[in-house]
Amino acid sequence: QVQLVQSGAEVKKPGASVKVSCKASGYSFTDYGISWVRQDPGQGLEWMGWISAYNDNANYAQKFQGRITMTTDTSTSTAYMELRSLRSDDTAVYYCARDLSAVAGSTFFDYWGQGTLVTVSS
Amino acid sequence: EIVLTQTPGTLSLSPGERATLSCRASQSVTNSLLVWYQQKPGQAPRLLMYGASSRATGIPDRFRGSGFGTDFTLTISRLEPEDFAVYYCQQYATSPYTFGQGTKLEIK
Repeated sequence: QVQLVQSGAEVKKPGASVKVSCKASGYSFTDYGISWVRQDPGQGLEWMGWISAYNDNANYAQKFQGRITMTTDTSTSTAYMELRSLRSDDTAVYYCARDLSAVAGSTFFDYWGQGTLVTVSS
Repeated sequence: EIVLTQTPGTLSLSPGERATLSCRASQSVTNSLLVWYQQKPGQAPRLLMYGASSRATGIPDRFRGSGFGTDFTLTISRLEPEDFAVYYCQQYATSPYTFGQGTKLEIK
């Protein structure tokens, strides 16, 4: 069965970076993309960007341009999301999700990871 | 960016009743590229509908999506206890791919 397993919770200081991993199994990794979505505590959902697991093309939401990098490692079927220059308002649960689009930019998400809580606090 | 506004914010109903959730877009969502997700506390969202009206794999037929342009609706015909959750719409027509703020469906 399709599974996306994310790395564990992180606590970071303002200005630091965080890198969250997302290991996929149960499907052909390069046939899909991976999107990252975050959810503020008690708040709604925010799409951060998408990466093709087929050719590593990425599309980031403008809000995060310049401080986000998404990568994939096809040898381990793992996607990564790095967010830099963290601020307190980056405190959120970060989800990876399988994106139906492999090459053409994000679409929608049929399987999600369990989420990774990132807390930014001094 | 396309802003999605979901109404009502909270909907209080009893099992067996019909639920109607609305999602209105600030501009037309091309080709009805809109999805609905269900989220329960402590869980990741679950895909319900895509393309506004197509049910995802394993979703029961009491869930029905409709709409086009700027107005979309998710209808749950007869509420089951497991349907009480938060529902989000999301458009994937125009980047950034935005979500509505959610409708909480609670037991009356």
